[in-house]
Amino acid sequence: ELKVEQNPLFLSMQEGKNYTIYCNYSTTSDRLYWYRQDPGKSLESLFVLLSNGAVKQEGRLMASLDTKARLSTLHITAAVHDLSATYFCAVDIANYGGSQGNLIFGKGTKLSVKP
Amino acid sequence: DAGITQSPRHKVTETGTPVTLRCHQTENHRYMYWYRQDPGHGLRLIHYSYGVKDTDKGEVSDGYSVSRSKTEDFLLTLESATSSQTSVYFCAIGGAWQYFGPGTRLTVT
Repeated sequence: ELKVEQNPLFLSMQEGKNYTIYCNYSTTSDRLYWYRQDPGKSLESLFVLLSNGAVKQEGRLMASLDTKARLSTLHITAAVHDLSATYFCAVDIANYGGSQGNLIFGKGTKLSVKP
Repeated sequence: DAGITQSPRHKVTETGTPVTLRCHQTENHRYMYWYRQDPGHGLRLIHYSYGVKDTDKGEVSDGYSVSRSKTEDFLLTLESATSSQTSVYFCAIGGAWQYFGPGTRLTVT
């Protein structure tokens, strides 16, 4: 069974602190995505990681991919309230016989950043 | 924002009635997808399309059918709605990088 597991599922942080969200997946894939979702809103694309060792950074968020360990991380640096949202990772299972863009999502990490 | 619209945005229907959700894009993209989002499950793929009249099943396709007669429109049909299909439905376009529509909140009573 294909699985994408995120942890933690809930994360309460103080502003200014650092933290990491983990995304483990059970299938071979060289394409992993991170999305952000605000309450009641649609999903916003953050990063696509296309190869082993890929690292992408945007502002206070940095994502990395280790395909050998089947692990991606989303690191938050010096959190601010505006980062409060739910973050999803998703794995493209095209390598597993699926069509391109056939994504398996994790359950999401709900991040709350408090002053 | 990618040009994706969904209609209706909200719908309440009764068990056993047919329901059709529409996704419309102005990006001329080949790939289109339907997902459902439920608490505790993240997003799950229902069906996807890789061209006009070319569709395939996703992870949770039972009880759903789709059609794509034009590049810009991808329809999701619940032939006989059940309460377990109460959910938020998202359409997406793209391949390696997907863009999501605003969502349709469907309640089946």
